[in-house]
Amino acid sequence: AQKITQTQPGMFVQEKEAVTLDCTYDTSDPSYGLFWYKQPSSGEMIFLIYQGSYDQQNATEGRYSLNFQKARKSANLVISASQLGDSAMYFCAMREGSGNFNKFYFGSGTKLNVKP
Amino acid sequence: NAGVTQTPKFQVLKTGQSMTLQCAQDMNHEYMSWYRQDPGMGLRLIHYSVGAGITDQGEVPNGYNVSRSTTEDFPLRLLSAAPSQTSVYFCASGTQGPEQYFGPGTRLTVT
Repeated sequence: AQKITQTQPGMFVQEKEAVTLDCTYDTSDPSYGLFWYKQPSSGEMIFLIYQGSYDQQNATEGRYSLNFQKARKSANLVISASQLGDSAMYFCAMREGSGNFNKFYFGSGTKLNVKP
Repeated sequence: NAGVTQTPKFQVLKTGQSMTLQCAQDMNHEYMSWYRQDPGMGLRLIHYSVGAGITDQGEVPNGYNVSRSTTEDFPLRLLSAAPSQTSVYFCASGTQGPEQYFGPGTRLTVT
């Protein structure tokens, strides 16, 4: 079974509007971490936000927030006030367990296009 | 700090050739990993290391070898290149914290 599922291959959003990128995950481990990365056309991977499975509050980093719904196993990324520079691929990722600090599973990504 | 560096940036190989992709980090991170990214897909873990002398297989290890003789370096060896190994390869390093630091990637084409 897929560990991480991103069902939106591509999304369009108008500049200054908010957008939600979907991510569902599959794990039986009670301890895990969820991550979002941005990959612009230049190719580098940029860390955006992290949510631990035991964190009570949803993570926020500036214009990025993670809508964590544990029972539904979803970890959607919300970008508020979209900017043209937000156009990129976005990847959701998961790290299982408390010892596998560098064993990540990635989704297939969502390509976000921000329209002026 | 240079962060995570990878060489070369681009490489073209013929089927059957071998080569080593280099990865180095200067942040004294314990954990290092290699991923491949195929067109239109996310990253898949090839091999990873939790410290010098310790390596383990990820999701897609076949056709690749790694070693970790120092904390700084984590080379990835392609033993006998195949067209299916055409991909972009990313090296990453990190600690127990949430962030992984990725290198700029190596674009490999096998003809």
